[in-house]
Amino acid sequence: NAGVMQNPRHLVRRRGQEARLRCSPMKGHSHVYWYRQLPEEGLKFMVYLQKENIIDESGMPKERFSAEFPKEGPSILRIQQVVRGDSAAYFCASSPGLEETQYFGPGTRLLVL
Amino acid sequence: GNSVTQMEGPVTLSEEAFLTINCTYTATGYPSLFWYVQYPGEGLQLLLKATKADDKGSNKGFEATYRKETTSFHLEKGSVQVSDSAVYFCALTLPGTASKLTFGTGTRLQVTL
Repeated sequence: NAGVMQNPRHLVRRRGQEARLRCSPMKGHSHVYWYRQLPEEGLKFMVYLQKENIIDESGMPKERFSAEFPKEGPSILRIQQVVRGDSAAYFCASSPGLEETQYFGPGTRLLVL
Repeated sequence: GNSVTQMEGPVTLSEEAFLTINCTYTATGYPSLFWYVQYPGEGLQLLLKATKADDKGSNKGFEATYRKETTSFHLEKGSVQVSDSAVYFCALTLPGTASKLTFGTGTRLQVTL
C-alpha cells in the first residue's frame, strides 16, 4: 500500500506567481490535512478536508490560499501571488476516518525567489 | 489556547547513551499526545502515542508516559543509535477538533559514534 504522495517535492516560484501543491492520500483514506512548516518552526495546521468538502480551514491565511479535495484526483493546495514569506515546507497527511492516526507525506518544499 | 513546548535542540549524544526529550503541554480538555519523528528529507512518521492519563506509549525502544499532573509527555530511550538521528516532534489533539494536530517546534537529535 503506497503511502501518502506529494508532488512536486521541490518547487521554486518567483514573487507573484502561483504555486500548486498536490497530495494523494493513502488508499482508502478520505480525510486530508495540510500543515505548513516554516524554517526552524513546528508544523502548523492549515486546513482539513474530506472528499469535496472543506471541514475546517481555521489555519488558512484569509487571502491567496485555497484548498480542494475533489471527488476524483488528488487534494490541491493553491497559493496565488506568492510572496517570500510563503517559503516553507508544506505537508499533507491523510487518515481513514475522524479521530484516527494521520499519515504524513514527504512534503513539498516551496522556495519563493 | 492549546500549545506544546519542547526542549530546544540540538541534542548531541554518543551511541548507547540515554535519551530524554522533554515535552509539556497546555490544553483545554483531555488531549491525546503523540511523538512524531522526521528523518532528513522525509515526512513525519508516528513514533508513539497515548490517549489518556498514565498511558505509556512505546515503539522501537522509545517510551513516553502521559502525565496529567505535570502536563508532560517526555520521550525516553535507554540506548540510542546513530540511526535515531532525526528531528522529534511532540504533538497533541483534542476531542471534537477533527484531530487537528498541534505541534511543538521539534528537537533535533544527533547521535555520534
